[in-house]
Amino acid sequence: SYELTQPPSVSVSPGQTARITCSGDALPKKYAYWYQQKSGQAPVLVIFEDDKRPSGIPERFSGSTSGTMATLSISGAQVEDEGDYYCYSMDTTLNYWVFGGGTKLTVL
Amino acid sequence: QVTLKESGPVVVKPTGTLTLTCTVSGFSLSDSRLGVSWIRQPPGKALEWLAHIFWNDEKSYNPSLKTRLTISKDTSKSQVVLTMKNMDPLDTGTYFCARTTRMILYYFDFWGRGTLVTVSS
Repeated sequence: SYELTQPPSVSVSPGQTARITCSGDALPKKYAYWYQQKSGQAPVLVIFEDDKRPSGIPERFSGSTSGTMATLSISGAQVEDEGDYYCYSMDTTLNYWVFGGGTKLTVL
Repeated sequence: QVTLKESGPVVVKPTGTLTLTCTVSGFSLSDSRLGVSWIRQPPGKALEWLAHIFWNDEKSYNPSLKTRLTISKDTSKSQVVLTMKNMDPLDTGTYFCARTTRMILYYFDFWGRGTLVTVSS
């Protein structure tokens, strides 16, 4: 089975840049997507196709990839950015639709 | 405005069958660019994709749960139904339905608020 691996937690001070990584063997060939989930809420898409930002998502959110690793960066992180972040990728041919294990972001 | 809303039982007995309904609005289940998936989340744990139904009624299932899942849709009612049989306490969690959009790959662009299901006798 295919896996995406994320660090369990990341902590930054307000105003710093938070970086959350996601590693997976297929990421050089398949896009990564990033979801933000605040406590008790449904996930929200913050990055699609590696580095594109949906409308309404602040510019401080950005995505990048290098080899087998995708990275979500939040520049000038704010307290309101706290929550769990999940990477996701998929392959219809191989029938995997996989989320990473999630990373808890703390901004304090 | 795109919305999805999950409905179903709050409690299911072990070995029983769970039936969840996702009622959608703001898009059509016959749109070839779109589909609906079910995703679950045990308390305090990660998201897990369960199943997907495409516009043409093709289905995909999580291989580890395939034998227990059935997904179907009623386009005229704008509803997608998921059944999961042989429920276990480990299946306790929040179940979300989400709209999928295909640009290059399929991804989830709109989510329901989720419904909490507890498996307990």
